[in-house]
Amino acid sequence: EVQLVESGGGLVQPGGSLILSCAASGFTFSNYWMTWVRQAPGKGLEWVANIKEDGSEINYVNSVKGRFTISRDNARNSLSLHMNSLRDEDTAVYYCARPSNGAFDIWGQGTVVTVSS
Amino acid sequence: DIVLTQSPLSLPVTPGEPASISCRSSQSLLHSNGYKYVSWYLQKPGQSPRLLIYLGSYRASGVPDRFSGSGSGTDFTLKVSRVEAEDVGIYYCMQVLQTPITFGQGTRLDIK
Repeated sequence: EVQLVESGGGLVQPGGSLILSCAASGFTFSNYWMTWVRQAPGKGLEWVANIKEDGSEINYVNSVKGRFTISRDNARNSLSLHMNSLRDEDTAVYYCARPSNGAFDIWGQGTVVTVSS
Repeated sequence: DIVLTQSPLSLPVTPGEPASISCRSSQSLLHSNGYKYVSWYLQKPGQSPRLLIYLGSYRASGVPDRFSGSGSGTDFTLKVSRVEAEDVGIYYCMQVLQTPITFGQGTRLDIK
């Protein structure tokens, strides 16, 4: 079964750091770009970052540039999002997703990040 | 950034009746390869989004044929031919032609 499972969410104070992980299974992870999407409470979907199959190309939404780092380990079929200098507005459910044919065809269940003092 | 504007934002529908959601883009989503880089998702309450339509008009695997997508370079439409109770949720369009990837604000479909 093709599956993405996120982990690492939690409660963190403003200015703090957190590392999210996404474990992929059921497909050849190294053949796909991967992406993170977030959803603030009661709000819509917001794309956060993506990374090419071999990690040679990376893109971020402006609001997280310089604070978040996306990375991948193809040997471990794993995607990560290192989040630093967290702000209240980073509070959201974070989803990892698999891009394919110009869309995100597989989504994880999400992991909740709460930034609050 | 490419802005996607959905309408309506709220859509009450009687079961068995059709429904239509519009997604208008601030720029053409037609790639030079001829494909339209717009997709549609349904997010049911408490669930992750699910892909319905990709490349403008192709139904994703397992999606009922009552869902269809169409459109030109900047105007796209998701149609549900006969709404069922299980179709309630929030529908989003998304573009991947340019970074940053952007979503429409969402359309909430519920049953009358």
